Amino acid sequence: ETGVTQSPTHLIKTRGQQVTLRCSSQSGHNTVSWYQQALGQGPQFIFQYYREEENGRGNFPPRFSGLQFPNYSSELNVNALELDDSALYLCASSLSGTTSGRYTDTQYFGPGTRLTVL
Amino acid sequence: GQNIDQPTEMTATEGAIVQINCTYQTSGFNGLFWYQQHAGEAPTFLSYNVLDGLEEKGRFSSFLSRSKGYSYLLLKELQMKDSASYLCAVRDSTDSWGKFQFGAGTQVVVTP
Repeated sequence: ETGVTQSPTHLIKTRGQQVTLRCSSQSGHNTVSWYQQALGQGPQFIFQYYREEENGRGNFPPRFSGLQFPNYSSELNVNALELDDSALYLCASSLSGTTSGRYTDTQYFGPGTRLTVL
Repeated sequence: GQNIDQPTEMTATEGAIVQINCTYQTSGFNGLFWYQQHAGEAPTFLSYNVLDGLEEKGRFSSFLSRSKGYSYLLLKELQMKDSASYLCAVRDSTDSWGKFQFGAGTQVVVTP
């Protein structure tokens, strides 16, 4: 158990709809990263949030957006859903800071949300 | 950008040893991580290397050579529960706070 929780566990939507996924980070962590994992593939980085701001983004269109709240929990929003958005969405919690330069420590994953778009 | 390559699948017998190789090409490097992922579950952290050499944690060991862009994960005394996908991930130091890039994973099948 990593202490990272995600909701919902499963979700079924139709093309064109919008979805919001939620993540609560591990106690003491200040950073949340979101990943999309298609079947048989490794997780693909969507974006990362630190202190309520996006501080890194992968190759995903603007219809993928997010938020981080003062308690470090986070949301992933996807608008205008497409069939290819069907995947496991993982959030990972970590501690970021500045010692000799900026860093993000080991990431710990939540159980994921399985999204199916019909 | 980054390329992270690892074999798609490996099969080994219970009690044996398996070595999973990972090669990477990165514009910046700030650590290599190995995760285990059982089917339908989230990845769980196994090991971390940032300096060259071998890190040992029980039945699992991980090795890193930064000059060669190479790492391996060694699984000893294989058990049936070790059947899973093993993900190699590189933390990129050039992008913001260190974006994690994952390989596609190596499916390890342990047979009786």
